[in-house]
Amino acid sequence: EAQVTQNPRYLITVTGKKLTVTCSQNMNHEYMSWYRQDPGLGLRQIYYSMNVEVTDKGDVPEGYKVSRKEKRNFPLILESPSPNQTSLYFCASSRVTGEQYFGPGTRLTVT
Amino acid sequence: AQSVTQPDIHITVSEGASLELRCNYSYGATPYLFWYVQSPGQGLQLLLKYFSGDTLVQGIKGFEAEFKRSQSSFNLRKPSVHWSDAAEYFCAFITGGGNKLTFGTGTQLKVEL
Repeated sequence: EAQVTQNPRYLITVTGKKLTVTCSQNMNHEYMSWYRQDPGLGLRQIYYSMNVEVTDKGDVPEGYKVSRKEKRNFPLILESPSPNQTSLYFCASSRVTGEQYFGPGTRLTVT
Repeated sequence: AQSVTQPDIHITVSEGASLELRCNYSYGATPYLFWYVQSPGQGLQLLLKYFSGDTLVQGIKGFEAEFKRSQSSFNLRKPSVHWSDAAEYFCAFITGGGNKLTFGTGTQLKVEL
């Protein structure tokens, strides 16, 4: 089954404790992206990747890092999480152009 | 600035009634347009998309949308709403390079039985 998976689905952590949210897709898509969703703001892009070893900033990249060492994986790294990064995070993948397929989301709470 | 506007934050309709959700975009060219639906606690599911050609596009779950270039709009419609359609709906379009999706802020649909 074609899908985008994210782990963990729920995470509660404390300020400053490094964490990684994994994202994996099995569709051989070139393009992958991370979004955060906040009430009243819709979804905003954090980072994206056009292919292996090619990443770039989206609209709200501050406080986040990404890497793309393999085509199927695109982890999101929070080196020092802060409470304003409490949000719902979605990973997505697609061909270079076209509709994006979203993962189930990761709800992160930073206390 | 490139943006998507969904002017209705909340909409309530009765089951069986028709539905129209509004979406306007601001972009210098004709973008690729999408409607996504998010049920409570779920991810985003693609309802339909417009890339080119026929301006009336059909999607899943009985939804359709019409692209109107003159009005920079891409409104979502359904002739008869079902209780299971209660969800949040997002209009979005691809802008610039990198296949980036720009989303509207969403419309929360409530269906009264």
